[in-house]
Amino acid sequence: EAGVTQFPSHSVIEKGQTVTLRCDPISGHDNLYWYRRVMGKEIKFLLHFVKESKQDESGMPNNRFLAERTGGTYSTLKVQPAELEDSGVYFCASSQVLRQEQFFGPGTRLTVL
Amino acid sequence: AQSVTQPDIHITVSEGASLELRCNYSYGATPYLFWYVQSPGQGLQLLLKYFSGDTLVQGIKGFEAEFKRSQSSFNLRKPSVHWSDAAEYFCAVGAYSSASKIIFGSGTRLSIRP
Repeated sequence: EAGVTQFPSHSVIEKGQTVTLRCDPISGHDNLYWYRRVMGKEIKFLLHFVKESKQDESGMPNNRFLAERTGGTYSTLKVQPAELEDSGVYFCASSQVLRQEQFFGPGTRLTVL
Repeated sequence: AQSVTQPDIHITVSEGASLELRCNYSYGATPYLFWYVQSPGQGLQLLLKYFSGDTLVQGIKGFEAEFKRSQSSFNLRKPSVHWSDAAEYFCAVGAYSSASKIIFGSGTRLSIRP
């Protein structure tokens, strides 16, 4: 069974540009989460989808971040326009319905110059 | 407030020595506790988890953790470390009652001395 996959693995962009991160959860997992780790800090929650609906987006830092999960399968996280403080590693995780055990992807390392 | 504290940012131990990584949490509801490991270039891998039952839980790779409710702690241990254990370790807490966000500690980086 394939695990959670994320694309790209690395992205380097300039301040003001747009970047879109993609996450493919484990097949059949209704719950999908985005987390972020800024350099040297803890891993912080961004948002939680249940199927295609946003269950909790309390961790989204501002309106430059837009997450979607059309059709309840893969998800995208768009940052527009990117700022220097957006640099970090973005993790995606998924879990089965009503299950708390989350499986994490390898992360996307975003560098904003 | 819900939080997880890992007081040790970086620990170095000799190969073959024992290891204990500390974790304290603050959580209002019944906690679901986790330890994750991130090896260089890899994603987060679940080492072990605890909700209820025996307070000493066994995980993968020879790791174990002990839940102490009175101390709000969930320390990770291994009797004898291997060079391949060099990684960053994260303690985390979530709600058992629902699938929801996990709150992570800031991580402890483990280095192994040959």
